[in-house]
Amino acid sequence: NAGVTQTPKFQVLKTGQSMTLQCAQDMNHNSMYWYRQDPGMGLRLIYYSASEGTTDKGEVPNGYNVSRLNKREFSLRLESAAPSQTSVYFCSARTKDYYSNQPQHFGDGTRLSIL
Amino acid sequence: AQKITQTQPGMFVQEKEAVTLDCTYDTSDQSYGLFWYKQPSSGEMIFLIYQGSYDEQNATEGRYSLNFQKARKSANLVISASQLGDSAMYFCAMRGANTGNQFYFGTGTSLTVIP
Repeated sequence: NAGVTQTPKFQVLKTGQSMTLQCAQDMNHNSMYWYRQDPGMGLRLIYYSASEGTTDKGEVPNGYNVSRLNKREFSLRLESAAPSQTSVYFCSARTKDYYSNQPQHFGDGTRLSIL
Repeated sequence: AQKITQTQPGMFVQEKEAVTLDCTYDTSDQSYGLFWYKQPSSGEMIFLIYQGSYDEQNATEGRYSLNFQKARKSANLVISASQLGDSAMYFCAMRGANTGNQFYFGTGTSLTVIP
């Protein structure tokens, strides 16, 4: 009954280092998302993937890349980490039915600090 | 453009009383969905309740209900009989018909229940 699993849960990086955040879901959902959460700013969409093989930019994509490896997995990559990318990152998944009442199901988040 | 506004950064309520958390939205879509999530101090995002733009009745889920006023573009969350465990951040989110799978989140309201 895992739902959405994110790894790692915590990470500290130095400026300029690269890192990939992993996300996997076992709900057979088509859509997956990456958000960042900063104090006072709510959740902001970085990238999303409506289905396997497709990805689209969200509100704050700069400095990030994503890969939808298969239906289960959606990874977020920071190629050259910057202190402004210190944040809590959430991955979520949702059914493909755009107009349904189905909510997004979230992972527990990754706390990322960049020094 | 889609936008969600939550104007109450922090709210306090006495245990066992009801509280209303405000949410207004801006969209040109005729079809859209509104979602409320709870984020306790442990960090996970918990789905609470959904309201569709064409739903004629206000949504209810246990102690949670939505005061949906379509003409005013507001979807306020009402929590009845507050409990200490209701202390958390609460986020309002919207999915628009023309935004497909994108969701837009408000900045959240921090609710503290006082014993």
